[in-house]
Amino acid sequence: QKEVEQNSGPLSVPEGAIASLNCTYSDRGSQSFFWYRQYSGKSPELIMSIYSNGDKEDGRFTAQLNKASQYVSLLIRDSQPSDSATYLCAVKNIEGDMRFGAGTRLTVKP
Amino acid sequence: GAVVSQHPSRVICKSGTSVKIECRSLDFQATTMFWYRQFPKQSLMLMATSNEGSKATYEQGVEKDKFLINHASLTLSTLTVTSAHPEDSSFYICSARDNRYTEAFFGQGTRLTVV
Repeated sequence: QKEVEQNSGPLSVPEGAIASLNCTYSDRGSQSFFWYRQYSGKSPELIMSIYSNGDKEDGRFTAQLNKASQYVSLLIRDSQPSDSATYLCAVKNIEGDMRFGAGTRLTVKP
Repeated sequence: GAVVSQHPSRVICKSGTSVKIECRSLDFQATTMFWYRQFPKQSLMLMATSNEGSKATYEQGVEKDKFLINHASLTLSTLTVTSAHPEDSSFYICSARDNRYTEAFFGQGTRLTVV
Protein backbone atom coordinates (compact mmCIF):
# COMPACT_ATOMS: atom_id res chain seq x y z
CA GLN A 1 0.00 0.00 0.00
CA LYS A 2 1.33 3.41 -0.96
CA GLU A 3 1.71 5.87 1.88
CA VAL A 4 -0.25 8.56 0.10
CA GLU A 5 -2.84 7.76 -2.55
CA GLN A 6 -4.64 10.04 -4.96
CA ASN A 7 -6.87 9.48 -7.92
CA SER A 8 -4.56 10.31 -10.82
CA GLY A 9 -7.44 11.63 -12.90
CA PRO A 10 -7.56 13.42 -15.18
CA LEU A 11 -10.34 15.42 -13.60
CA SER A 12 -12.14 17.82 -15.87
CA VAL A 13 -14.59 20.46 -14.65
CA PRO A 14 -16.23 23.42 -16.40
CA GLU A 15 -15.20 26.94 -15.49
CA GLY A 16 -17.04 28.16 -12.42
CA ALA A 17 -17.69 24.69 -11.04
CA ILE A 18 -16.30 23.14 -7.85
CA ALA A 19 -13.34 20.83 -8.28
CA SER A 20 -12.93 18.17 -5.61
CA LEU A 21 -9.59 16.46 -5.09
CA ASN A 22 -9.17 13.55 -2.71
CA CYS A 23 -6.27 11.92 -0.90
CA THR A 24 -5.88 9.07 1.58
CA TYR A 25 -2.85 8.20 3.65
CA SER A 26 -1.70 5.11 5.49
CA ASP A 27 0.36 6.40 8.42
CA ARG A 28 -2.16 7.02 11.17
CA GLY A 29 0.43 8.97 13.13
CA SER A 30 0.75 11.67 10.47
CA GLN A 31 0.09 15.15 11.75
CA SER A 32 0.69 17.55 8.87
CA PHE A 33 -1.03 17.62 5.52
CA PHE A 34 -0.41 19.77 2.48
CA TRP A 35 -1.72 20.46 -0.96
CA TYR A 36 0.69 21.59 -3.65
CA ARG A 37 -0.05 22.78 -7.15
CA GLN A 38 2.39 21.92 -9.92
CA TYR A 39 2.27 23.39 -13.36
CA SER A 40 3.91 21.41 -16.13
CA GLY A 41 7.68 21.66 -15.99
CA LYS A 42 7.63 23.68 -12.78
CA SER A 43 8.32 22.95 -9.16
CA PRO A 44 5.40 22.43 -6.77
CA GLU A 45 4.03 25.43 -4.91
CA LEU A 46 2.23 25.20 -1.60
CA ILE A 47 -1.47 26.02 -1.67
CA MET A 48 -2.82 24.84 1.65
CA SER A 49 -1.67 23.22 4.84
CA ILE A 50 -3.96 21.65 7.43
CA TYR A 51 -3.14 20.10 10.78
CA SER A 52 -6.43 19.50 12.61
CA ASN A 53 -9.70 17.82 11.75
CA GLY A 54 -12.28 19.87 9.95
CA ASP A 55 -12.24 22.47 7.22
CA LYS A 56 -9.76 25.22 6.49
CA GLU A 57 -10.67 27.88 3.99
CA ASP A 58 -8.38 30.22 2.07
CA GLY A 59 -10.03 32.18 -0.68
CA ARG A 60 -11.44 29.77 -3.24
CA PHE A 61 -9.66 26.83 -1.65
CA THR A 62 -10.94 24.66 1.19
CA ALA A 63 -8.94 21.83 2.68
CA GLN A 64 -10.77 19.15 4.64
CA LEU A 65 -9.14 16.71 7.03
CA ASN A 66 -10.57 13.62 8.67
CA LYS A 67 -7.88 11.83 10.64
CA ALA A 68 -10.18 9.00 11.71
CA SER A 69 -10.77 8.12 8.07
CA GLN A 70 -7.21 9.10 7.09
CA TYR A 71 -8.59 11.30 4.40
CA VAL A 72 -7.77 14.79 3.23
CA SER A 73 -9.39 16.69 0.39
CA LEU A 74 -9.12 19.97 -1.46
CA LEU A 75 -12.09 21.85 -2.86
CA ILE A 76 -11.61 24.57 -5.41
CA ARG A 77 -14.65 26.81 -5.80
CA ASP A 78 -15.38 28.88 -8.90
CA SER A 79 -12.72 26.97 -10.82
CA GLN A 80 -10.73 28.98 -13.35
CA PRO A 81 -8.75 27.79 -16.38
CA SER A 82 -5.63 28.99 -14.56
CA ASP A 83 -6.34 26.34 -11.92
CA SER A 84 -5.52 23.68 -14.50
CA ALA A 85 -2.51 21.87 -13.07
CA THR A 86 -1.50 18.77 -11.22
CA TYR A 87 -2.38 18.84 -7.53
CA LEU A 88 -0.16 16.93 -5.17
CA CYS A 89 -1.22 15.78 -1.75
CA ALA A 90 1.64 15.59 0.73
CA VAL A 91 1.74 14.11 4.19
CA LYS A 92 4.44 14.55 6.75
CA ASN A 93 4.81 11.19 8.43
CA ILE A 94 5.88 10.37 11.92
CA GLU A 95 9.53 10.34 10.89
CA GLY A 96 9.22 13.86 9.55
CA ASP A 97 9.51 12.87 5.90
CA MET A 98 7.26 14.54 3.36
CA ARG A 99 5.58 11.91 1.20
CA PHE A 100 3.66 12.75 -1.91
CA GLY A 101 0.74 11.20 -3.69
CA ALA A 102 0.87 10.57 -7.41
CA GLY A 103 -0.98 13.80 -8.10
CA THR A 104 -4.34 14.52 -9.72
CA ARG A 105 -4.35 16.29 -13.03
CA LEU A 106 -7.09 18.92 -13.12
CA THR A 107 -8.35 20.57 -16.29
CA VAL A 108 -10.77 23.49 -16.06
CA LYS A 109 -12.52 24.02 -19.36
CA PRO A 110 -13.60 27.55 -20.32
CA GLY B 1 6.89 31.85 2.71
CA ALA B 2 10.57 31.12 2.73
CA VAL B 3 12.71 31.19 -0.41
CA VAL B 4 14.71 28.26 -1.69
CA SER B 5 16.97 28.72 -4.68
CA GLN B 6 18.09 25.77 -6.79
CA HIS B 7 20.77 25.97 -9.45
CA PRO B 8 21.14 25.22 -12.30
CA SER B 9 17.61 25.09 -13.65
CA ARG B 10 18.71 23.08 -16.67
CA VAL B 11 21.82 21.08 -17.41
CA ILE B 12 22.88 18.81 -20.22
CA CYS B 13 25.85 16.57 -19.67
CA LYS B 14 27.62 13.74 -21.40
CA SER B 15 27.23 10.19 -20.21
CA GLY B 16 29.90 9.30 -17.67
CA THR B 17 30.40 12.81 -16.32
CA SER B 18 29.26 14.18 -12.97
CA VAL B 19 26.83 16.99 -12.33
CA LYS B 20 26.37 19.04 -9.18
CA ILE B 21 23.07 20.67 -8.24
CA GLU B 22 22.92 23.30 -5.51
CA CYS B 23 20.05 24.08 -3.21
CA ARG B 24 20.17 27.21 -1.06
CA SER B 25 17.80 28.57 1.54
CA LEU B 26 17.95 32.33 1.10
CA ASP B 27 16.16 33.71 4.13
CA PHE B 28 16.12 30.95 6.70
CA GLN B 29 18.31 28.24 8.12
CA ALA B 30 17.45 24.90 6.57
CA THR B 31 17.99 22.30 9.24
CA THR B 32 16.57 19.66 6.94
CA MET B 33 16.73 19.38 3.18
CA PHE B 34 15.03 16.88 0.94
CA TRP B 35 15.96 15.78 -2.55
CA TYR B 36 13.33 14.48 -4.93
CA ARG B 37 13.36 13.06 -8.42
CA GLN B 38 10.41 13.32 -10.74
CA PHE B 39 10.06 11.42 -13.99
CA PRO B 40 7.62 12.67 -16.64
CA LYS B 41 3.99 12.41 -15.59
CA GLN B 42 4.96 10.87 -12.28
CA SER B 43 4.93 12.16 -8.75
CA LEU B 44 7.85 13.29 -6.67
CA MET B 45 9.96 10.46 -5.34
CA LEU B 46 11.96 11.16 -2.23
CA MET B 47 15.60 10.27 -2.78
CA ALA B 48 17.19 11.33 0.46
CA THR B 49 16.84 13.48 3.53
CA SER B 50 19.78 15.43 4.86
CA ASN B 51 20.27 17.20 8.15
CA GLU B 52 22.94 19.84 8.46
CA GLY B 53 26.24 18.43 9.54
CA SER B 54 25.29 14.79 9.31
CA LYS B 55 25.17 12.13 6.64
CA ALA B 56 22.14 11.96 4.41
CA THR B 57 19.54 9.25 4.85
CA TYR B 58 18.80 7.59 1.54
CA GLU B 59 15.56 5.96 0.52
CA GLN B 60 15.55 2.31 -0.39
CA GLY B 61 16.75 1.76 -3.92
CA VAL B 62 18.68 5.03 -4.17
CA GLU B 63 22.42 4.50 -4.62
CA LYS B 64 24.25 6.70 -2.16
CA ASP B 65 27.53 6.34 -4.03
CA LYS B 66 25.90 7.58 -7.20
CA PHE B 67 23.88 10.43 -5.71
CA LEU B 68 26.21 12.23 -3.36
CA ILE B 69 24.54 14.63 -0.98
CA ASN B 70 26.36 17.20 1.07
CA HIS B 71 24.66 19.45 3.62
CA ALA B 72 27.65 21.19 5.09
CA SER B 73 25.92 24.41 6.12
CA LEU B 74 22.50 25.54 7.25
CA THR B 75 21.87 27.28 3.94
CA LEU B 76 23.38 24.96 1.34
CA SER B 77 22.92 21.38 0.24
CA THR B 78 24.32 19.85 -2.92
CA LEU B 79 23.39 16.78 -4.90
CA THR B 80 26.07 15.35 -7.17
CA VAL B 81 25.04 12.82 -9.78
CA THR B 82 28.20 10.84 -10.43
CA SER B 83 28.96 8.98 -13.65
CA ALA B 84 25.64 10.06 -15.07
CA HIS B 85 23.78 7.85 -17.52
CA PRO B 86 20.83 8.62 -19.79
CA GLU B 87 18.47 6.89 -17.37
CA ASP B 88 19.43 9.50 -14.77
CA SER B 89 17.77 12.14 -16.92
CA SER B 90 14.99 13.55 -14.78
CA PHE B 91 13.67 16.58 -12.94
CA TYR B 92 15.43 16.94 -9.60
CA ILE B 93 13.84 19.10 -6.92
CA CYS B 94 15.10 20.08 -3.52
CA SER B 95 13.08 21.32 -0.61
CA ALA B 96 14.14 22.78 2.68
CA ARG B 97 12.63 23.17 6.10
CA ASP B 98 13.62 24.78 9.35
CA ASN B 99 12.20 24.44 12.82
CA ARG B 100 9.95 27.47 12.41
CA TYR B 101 7.92 25.95 9.62
CA THR B 102 6.08 22.69 9.41
CA GLU B 103 5.95 22.79 5.64
CA ALA B 104 8.92 22.51 3.33
CA PHE B 105 9.64 25.01 0.60
CA PHE B 106 10.74 23.94 -2.83
CA GLY B 107 13.49 25.05 -5.11
CA GLN B 108 12.76 25.70 -8.76
CA GLY B 109 13.94 22.28 -9.84
CA THR B 110 16.73 21.14 -12.16
CA ARG B 111 16.07 19.47 -15.47
CA LEU B 112 18.97 17.07 -16.04
CA THR B 113 19.49 15.58 -19.48
CA VAL B 114 22.26 13.05 -19.96
CA VAL B 115 23.25 12.47 -23.57
